[in-house]
Amino acid sequence: AQSVTQLDSQVPVFEEAPVELRCNYSSSVSVYLFWYVQYPNQGLQLLLKYLSGSTLVKGINGFEAEFNKSQTSFHLRKPSVHISDTAEYFCAVIITGTASKLTFGTGTRLQVTL
Amino acid sequence: DVKVTQSSRYLVKRTGEKVFLECVQDMDHENMFWYRQDPGLGLRLIYFSYDVKMKEKGDIPEGYSVSREKKERFSLILESASTNQTSMYLCASRDGQGAGQPQHFGDGTRLSIL
Repeated sequence: AQSVTQLDSQVPVFEEAPVELRCNYSSSVSVYLFWYVQYPNQGLQLLLKYLSGSTLVKGINGFEAEFNKSQTSFHLRKPSVHISDTAEYFCAVIITGTASKLTFGTGTRLQVTL
Repeated sequence: DVKVTQSSRYLVKRTGEKVFLECVQDMDHENMFWYRQDPGLGLRLIYFSYDVKMKEKGDIPEGYSVSREKKERFSLILESASTNQTSMYLCASRDGQGAGQPQHFGDGTRLSIL
């Protein structure tokens, strides 16, 4: 079975600073990877996904993520954060070619301050 | 845009009551899901449905049941509510064509069991 680890439960950062949210997964077979964002009092919204092809994936709101198969990682980055990026971020994985059951990480709370 | 609507944003019920949480999607998606979200635990899958009248247990089905009589509607039922079922409940839907399709989430129902 696959699993997802988000080591950082909280990441504080100043506005306009760069940020990296870490995600590592465990799976013996190939996977698809996703990052979702949850703003306060809302459901989850897709930021970006990796299915195949280029390992650098660009998403909405200036976020990007890089798939690294050898390190089984899919870290999320943004070069300059804004106050409005304050939210919880979830990494998720699904095994390719299987039933549609996503496995989520426990989430990382990004807190952007002035 | 896909719209997933959960009938209540906030709900307060008493121990032992039978509780119904309703979810409706407007994109003719085959797959629908119910998760609960708790601090530090991320999202955990309760039940999911591949299509009308079909259901599969997720990771934490105990104390819950589901109903999918129509394609657009997926109901979560707490047969006899208990205080440990106080949580945020999230519904999602997904196009059934391929594991790479993202899930689309409702805004959640915050359920308190007193």
